[in-house]
Amino acid sequence: DVKVTQSSRYLVKRTGEKVFLECVQDMDHENMFWYRQDPGLGLRLIYFSYDVKMKEKGDIPEGYSVSREKKERFSLILESASTNQTSMYLCASSDGLTSGELFFGEGSRLTVL
Amino acid sequence: SQQGEEDPQALSIQEGENATMNCSYKTSINNLQWYRQNSGRGLVHLILIRSNEREKHSGRLRVTLDTSKKSSSLLITASRAADTASYFCACGASYIPTFGRGTSLIVHP
Repeated sequence: DVKVTQSSRYLVKRTGEKVFLECVQDMDHENMFWYRQDPGLGLRLIYFSYDVKMKEKGDIPEGYSVSREKKERFSLILESASTNQTSMYLCASSDGLTSGELFFGEGSRLTVL
Repeated sequence: SQQGEEDPQALSIQEGENATMNCSYKTSINNLQWYRQNSGRGLVHLILIRSNEREKHSGRLRVTLDTSKKSSSLLITASRAADTASYFCACGASYIPTFGRGTSLIVHP
């Protein structure tokens, strides 16, 4: 059974803290994605990666960075968390160069106080 | 930027009724996908329809695609309370599908 695992379902952090959200997939997929989901705004792409050590900005990369040192792991980093980064963060992976099925993790709900 | 836009934003029906959700998009696509999200969970892929297909079925799901109108519909027949969820369309031109804001479906037992 294919799986995308996000390390934390719920996190509470303080303003200014550095936050790491980890995502691991076991399907040997080339592509990995980080989305942010907010009520009324749907899913917005933060960053994506199409290969190890390769990354591309999505629609809302400001305030975020990513790391992909191994094919199966894609990390989202909030260098200095702010209250407007309180949100649900969704990791996904997919295979290939054409738009196919995305496999999502269960999400990480981050609250920044 | 969001390409797919679902309509309606919210839908409330009784168990046993059919539920229809629509998705409109703006530019050419290779395929269109529908996803489901239970409250507080990740998205689950339901069905993918390619740009050269007009209709596709999967169980109680029926998806249509009209590329001339740049629109798609998702029909859930004989709905169940367990179908209560948010439904998203995702449009794919490259390998990065873009999602709409979703339709929230409530099925009352």
